[in-house]
Amino acid sequence: DTAVSQTPKYLVTQMGNDKSIKCEQNLGHDTMYWYKQDSKKFLKIMFSYNNKELIINETVPNRFSPKSPDKAHLNLHINSLELGDSAVYFCASSHGNTIYFGEGSWLTVV
Amino acid sequence: ILNVEQSPQSLHVQEGDSTNFTCSFPSSNFYALHWYRWETAKSPEALFVMTLNGDEKKKGRISATLNTKEGYSYLYIKGSQPEDSATYLCASRPSGSARQLTFGSGTQLTVLP
Repeated sequence: DTAVSQTPKYLVTQMGNDKSIKCEQNLGHDTMYWYKQDSKKFLKIMFSYNNKELIINETVPNRFSPKSPDKAHLNLHINSLELGDSAVYFCASSHGNTIYFGEGSWLTVV
Repeated sequence: ILNVEQSPQSLHVQEGDSTNFTCSFPSSNFYALHWYRWETAKSPEALFVMTLNGDEKKKGRISATLNTKEGYSYLYIKGSQPEDSATYLCASRPSGSARQLTFGSGTQLTVLP
């Protein structure tokens, strides 16, 4: 069973649309994250939630809104998609020092 | 050093060769250094987490060392195999942060049969 799963894996959508990426972890972890892989291939943190509460919110446009309905889920909703939002988005969870990543969601905005 | 830097950016070695690459990170307010192995279209897989200066960790043919005073870590692969081909990421976590890792851009290793 996949520990951190995110859907969809691939998403191609038009500018201006609103889309969501879902993430679920079955590890029982308290902390979940969204990372974005930028154009230079760096993984940069966007958000972190602990027990459904937002604890990190990096400088991310407010078109990006995370939602955590419960400890096992952290979904990422993006409004009014722009070309520059095209990237790979990774969900992750942790307990202690080790962070477990999902396989990534490839978002292409056309 | 303000960011996490990895070198080389990419590396090709022959099967059976041993290899190593470097991760440099800010030595001030250091808490932990993470190494991940990342194959395309798969999840980054945690290899090691190291916290103490002088730490050495080993997992099969892969090992890592840590120097927190000078801010660097080495990852070694002994007797490289084609299945070792992947991108190796390191990430530094400073003390006092809410588990906020800063990643390097990775070293892409290709092992040629």
